[in-house]
Amino acid sequence: DAKTTQPPSMDCAEGRAANLPCNHSTISGNEYVYWYRQIHSQGPQYIIHGLKNNETNEMASLIITEDRKSSTLILPHATLRDTAVYYCIVRVFYTGNQFYFGTGTSLTVIP
Amino acid sequence: EAQVTQNPRYLITVTGKKLTVTCSQNMNHEYMSWYRQDPGLGLRQIYYSMNVEVTDKGDVPEGYKVSRKEKRNFPLILESPSPNQTSLYFCASSSSPDSPLHFGNGTRLTVT
Repeated sequence: DAKTTQPPSMDCAEGRAANLPCNHSTISGNEYVYWYRQIHSQGPQYIIHGLKNNETNEMASLIITEDRKSSTLILPHATLRDTAVYYCIVRVFYTGNQFYFGTGTSLTVIP
Repeated sequence: EAQVTQNPRYLITVTGKKLTVTCSQNMNHEYMSWYRQDPGLGLRQIYYSMNVEVTDKGDVPEGYKVSRKEKRNFPLILESPSPNQTSLYFCASSSSPDSPLHFGNGTRLTVT
């Protein structure tokens, strides 16, 4: 699986959009981009995933660049409860060895 | 409620004393896996299982064993724990390898 690079930490004002970047320059054509988040030491929570088209669900939006070498997770209106570590992962759609999480981005939402 | 249940949540043990951390899911998922989380290293996969009686090593399998005798359970076994296995452990399951993972609440293990 391709490895990812994320900034170690970010801040965001409450109510504003949080834009979390991820570089995955070695991604191959059949690798999906997944985003998870972990609040304190709880189990990671799935947020969203995509292959090459932008995706949106009730939690967030995922923007993937045309060359697929980077992506951005957007939390449209960040709340204090969005403070967490966010992990960007790429993996092949059909594989036995699953996700490589890396160290993620610690997002702090500031009141 | 659909969930992945790990037990115990906290465990303190001594070097060399065999232990088992249990993991059970009630979603009839075929795919299960174990991760450990250490400061500065993120989550690293220990073992995974594609289905009953099918298991394989992840990135850090040394010192661990697993078994998958039935679909719902995937215990993690430490035959002879050592202090470097002190960590936060997570079990996860999914309906298929490409589906999002559902995680348990974690087991914090301390080996002295």
